[in-house]
Amino acid sequence: EDKVVQSPLSLVVHEGDTVTLNCSYEVTNFRSLLWYKQEKKAPTFLFMLTSSGIEKKSGRLSSILDKKELFSILNITATQTGDSAVYLCALSFTSGTYKYIFGTGTRLKVLA
Amino acid sequence: EPEVTQTPSHQVTQMGQEVILRCVPISNHLYFYWYRQILGQKVEFLVSFYNNEISEKSEIFDDQFSVERPDGSNFTLKIRSTKLEDSAMYFCAGSLTETKNIQYFGAGTRLSVL
Repeated sequence: EDKVVQSPLSLVVHEGDTVTLNCSYEVTNFRSLLWYKQEKKAPTFLFMLTSSGIEKKSGRLSSILDKKELFSILNITATQTGDSAVYLCALSFTSGTYKYIFGTGTRLKVLA
Repeated sequence: EPEVTQTPSHQVTQMGQEVILRCVPISNHLYFYWYRQILGQKVEFLVSFYNNEISEKSEIFDDQFSVERPDGSNFTLKIRSTKLEDSAMYFCAGSLTETKNIQYFGAGTRLSVL
């Protein structure tokens, strides 16, 4: 059975801290891994990763995929209160449609 | 920036009633999806829709569920006879032909079945 596991489930940090969120997976027919940020509204797209070892970066956020060890990390440096959200990891597949399966999410709270 | 719009934001219904959840995807999106998230659980895939037909559905998407795109813009999810366990947040998503793998989500409809 396809599986996506995120850790930690929740995290509380102070502004300025750096955080690392983890997503490990066991799936057949892997196509890509995606990260989304979910506040009290629509999940918003952050990154899509398809190849191992290539870091994707956007401002203070970065992510990388390891297809050998079957995991990805999402790093947020110099955290701000606006980074408080649930971060979702999703996988898509080469077979079937482009549906996603999701992890449970990591709830990040950044304190001022 | 265009966005996916879902209405209503919150729907309260009695068990056994029919509900229709509505979504207006971004205009040039061609692939559409419904997901649901029961409180405290993972987001789960329900159904994908392309070219006016269902392309894949999950085990959750049984005969009580249906989807359609009645007028080329709205995309609806109907639950014929709601059960208590249908209470969840329902998300609509869409993607472009060129970047099918990246889905853009609506803010969701919270369905409460009493």
